[in-house]
Amino acid sequence: DAKTTQPPSMDCAEGRAANLPCNHSTISGNEYVYWYRQIHSQGPQYIIHGLKNNETNEMASLIITEDRKSSTLILPHATLRDTAVYYCIVRVGTGGFKTIFGAGTRLFVKA
Amino acid sequence: GAGVSQSPSNKVTEKGKDVELRCDPISGHTALYWYRQSLGQGLEFLIYFQGNSAPDKSGLPSDRFSAERTGGSVSTLTIQRTQQEDSAVYLCASSFNGGGVETQYFGPGTRLLVL
Repeated sequence: DAKTTQPPSMDCAEGRAANLPCNHSTISGNEYVYWYRQIHSQGPQYIIHGLKNNETNEMASLIITEDRKSSTLILPHATLRDTAVYYCIVRVGTGGFKTIFGAGTRLFVKA
Repeated sequence: GAGVSQSPSNKVTEKGKDVELRCDPISGHTALYWYRQSLGQGLEFLIYFQGNSAPDKSGLPSDRFSAERTGGSVSTLTIQRTQQEDSAVYLCASSFNGGGVETQYFGPGTRLLVL
C-alpha cells in the first residue's frame, strides 16, 4: 500500500499558485518525498524530491514540515497545461526499491 | 538527450496470443522498472532490474508474465496466453542507481488491448 494520503481532486485558477498537500505520517528517516505528475495518456513525469529541507526547481517548490509527516507541492503560477494527476511518493533514495504509487490528486486548472 | 522509449506504442491482440513489449532505457541507467496502469487506475509495480538481474519480481501478477534484460540495457516484458484483464498501459522507467539519490524517468508506455 502507498504510504501517502492525498486529496482526490483540486481546482486552481490559471495564473494562481496551486498548493497540493500530502500526508506521510509513517515516513522513515531514510525516505525521501518525491512528486511526479501524469498528464493524460502520457508516462509519469518527475517533478521534484526532498528529504527534509525545502526544495525549489524550475517546475515547482516542495515544502516539507519539520516533523516530515506532511509536505506541499507548490506550482507558483499554474497554467492549463498543469492539469494532471499529481503523485506524492515516499521511498528510500537509493538501492533500487520499487516505487509505490497511490491514487494521487487530480488537479484541474481552470481559465 | 534521449529519454526512455517503448515499443510498440499500441498493441491490439487476441485473447490467448503472446505479446512482447520492449523498453529502451536512458543510456547509462543501471536500473529498469516495469509498471502497469489499468484504465483510470494508479500505477502497479511489476518488476525491477538492476543490471541484468531482477532482485524484485514481486509484482508480476501470474506466471504468464515474464521479463528479461540483456546487456544491461534493453528489456522485454512478455505476456503469454493474454487475457482480457491484461489490457492496460505498460510503463517502463529507468534510473541511475550507482550512488546518490535515485530518480526514475518514465517512457510513454505501451497501450495493450486484448480482444
